[in-house]
Amino acid sequence: AQTVTQSQPEMSVQEAETVTLSCTYDTSENNYYLFWYKQPPSRQMILVIRQEAYKQQNATENRFSVNFQKAAKSFSLKISDSQLGDTAMYFCAFISLNFGNEKLTFGTGTRLTIIP
Amino acid sequence: EAQVTQNPRYLITVTGKKLTVTCSQNMNHEYMSWYRQDPGLGLRQIYYSMNVEVTDKGDVPEGYKVSRKEKRNFPLILESPSPNQTSLYFCASSFDISMNTEAFFGQGTRLTVV
Repeated sequence: AQTVTQSQPEMSVQEAETVTLSCTYDTSENNYYLFWYKQPPSRQMILVIRQEAYKQQNATENRFSVNFQKAAKSFSLKISDSQLGDTAMYFCAFISLNFGNEKLTFGTGTRLTIIP
Repeated sequence: EAQVTQNPRYLITVTGKKLTVTCSQNMNHEYMSWYRQDPGLGLRQIYYSMNVEVTDKGDVPEGYKVSRKEKRNFPLILESPSPNQTSLYFCASSFDISMNTEAFFGQGTRLTVV
């Protein structure tokens, strides 16, 4: 069974600074996706970024980028030029693409606060 | 508007009284799933469905049932709710298992079992 670990329960950073959220995972499979989701106070789950395991290139979406280290099973999220609207819970998630094991597993989350 | 709709948003019930939380999506998505969110535990998958009449257990299926008779609907059934099922529940859908397209989440259902 796969596991996802987020070791930082809470983080805070000044507005406009860069912050990196860490995520590690454990799996014996080769075919999978990784995700970062954002949950603001509204509780809505919003996809921030996704990474296919077979792609070596790190995914980027505007101010959000990942550092995907497949051998180390690490998937960190970097937020550049942080904004007040980035304040939220952030969840790392893993899904296997192998038949019979298509469960989506989340980490326990990191509460990020952007300080004005 | 593309969306996943859960109902109700809030529910307080008593132990043992059967309840159903509905989930409907209007995007013709194949993959649907249910999660519960508890403090310090993140989101845990309860059940998922890869298509009509195909459902599988997630990580925490005990005490829950689901059905997928139609592609758009994926209700979550608690036959005999207990206080440890007090939680925030999310339904989600995506086009296929790879979630290569965006995954959509419902607004959440806050369930309290007393």
